[in-house]
Amino acid sequence: EVQLVESGGGLVKPGGSLRLSCAASGFTFSSYSMNWVRQAPGKGLEWVSSISSSSSYIYYADSVKGRFTISRDNAKNSLYLQMNSLRAEDTAVYYCARDRVVTPGFFDYWGQGTLVTVSS
Amino acid sequence: DIQMTQSPSSLSASVGDRVTITCQASQDISNYLNWYQQKPGKAPKLLIYDASNLETGVPSRFSGSGSGTDFTFTISSLQPEDIATYYCQQYDNLPPRFGPGTKVDIK
Repeated sequence: EVQLVESGGGLVKPGGSLRLSCAASGFTFSSYSMNWVRQAPGKGLEWVSSISSSSSYIYYADSVKGRFTISRDNAKNSLYLQMNSLRAEDTAVYYCARDRVVTPGFFDYWGQGTLVTVSS
Repeated sequence: DIQMTQSPSSLSASVGDRVTITCQASQDISNYLNWYQQKPGKAPKLLIYDASNLETGVPSRFSGSGSGTDFTFTISSLQPEDIATYYCQQYDNLPPRFGPGTKVDIK
């Protein structure tokens, strides 16, 4: 059974940093691209970032480019999102999601999400 | 960037009713269109992929159609457990983008 479990969310002040993790199990993690998708409270879904299976290809939404860094450790079956220079508008539930195909955006499995709150 | 629109933004229907949601892309995305269901407090779940293919394990009352810029999602007979928000999403081009969602509830 595919499982994705996010962690690392919490309350952080504007300008602060946070590192999210996603632990994967039930599939060959090193064979799949992975993504972060977020959802602000009461709002819709927004893709944040994607990383290919070998980390060769990395993409970001314009809203986080230069502030967020996606990475992965295939030996640990883990996905990460380093978030710096956080803003109030980054407040959201952050989901990790597996990509079924090579091109980013076919999200076939999702974690339960971790809440990031940016507030003073 | 490709923009996605959905209509209606919300609807209320009776158990057993046929429910239809439309989704439009701002440019041709072929069939690179997925539909997700999100129940309150839960993660989204993939229901339909490539516009018309039912994900494994998803009940057959859910279906999708369309290609190019215009797509339709249908629940043939609404059930109480279908109360959720439904999102279309294109993955033809970066960035992958979701529609604004359609909230479905029971009348």
